[in-house]
Amino acid sequence: DGGITQSPKYLFRKEGQNVTLSCEQNLNHDAMYWYRQDPGQGLRLIYYSQIVNDFQKGDIAEGYSVSREKKESFPLTVTSAQKNPTAFYLCASSISATEKLFFGSGTQLSVL
Amino acid sequence: GESVGLHLPTLSVQEGDNSIINCAYSNSASDYFIWYKQESGKGPQFIIDIRSNMDKRQGQRVTVLLNKTVKHLSLQIAATQPGDSAVYFCAENPPNSGNTPLVFGKGTRLSVIA
Repeated sequence: DGGITQSPKYLFRKEGQNVTLSCEQNLNHDAMYWYRQDPGQGLRLIYYSQIVNDFQKGDIAEGYSVSREKKESFPLTVTSAQKNPTAFYLCASSISATEKLFFGSGTQLSVL
Repeated sequence: GESVGLHLPTLSVQEGDNSIINCAYSNSASDYFIWYKQESGKGPQFIIDIRSNMDKRQGQRVTVLLNKTVKHLSLQIAATQPGDSAVYFCAENPPNSGNTPLVFGKGTRLSVIA
C-alpha cells in the first residue's frame, strides 16, 4: 500500500454515532485525500489537504469532517449527519496535489 | 462534473489476448494522465502515467497511448492474465487547476476468461 495505512479494515456505525477512520502515511507527502466509493462506482472526493493545518471540501463533504494537525495523519470523521454512510472509504496521499496518488487499502464502513 | 469518461464500462477478454481500455477526456489542456488498477476490496494501485508532451509510454506488459487530437487515452495490456481482472480507472490533471486534485473516470471492469 505504498506506506499508507488505513484502520480499521471494517467499521460498524450505530444510528446517531460519529465514527473516525484513521489514515497515516510515512511517505513525507504534503497532500492527503479522502474518497468514498460505493459498490460498482467510481471515486468521489470528500476532503483533501495540501498542507498541514489546511484542508478543502471535495464534492461530497456534507456529513464528514477532517483534521490535519500532523503531516503524517489525516483522520476522517463520519458524523451522524451523514445519513447514508455505508461505503468503502479510501485515503490517499501525493507529493503535491497535481502528482499521482498513492492509496491505502481502504475501510469498509457499514451501519448496524 | 468530471471531464474524464470511459467508452466501455465492462470488458471481457480471453486469457492470453491483448486488452485495450479506453478513456476520453474533454479538456484539451489537461497535461497529465494516470491509469490505476483496483482489485476487489483493495485500494487502487498506480499502473502507469503519461504527460501531454508524450504520445506513448510503455511499462511491463502495459502501454499507455495518448491521442491529443481526439482527446483519447488508452491502456493496452499485453497477454492478459487472470490476475489482470480488476477495475481500471483513468485520471487527469485538469488545466489551471490551482492545485485541485486529479479527476477520476468512472472505471472499466476487465474480466479475463480462462
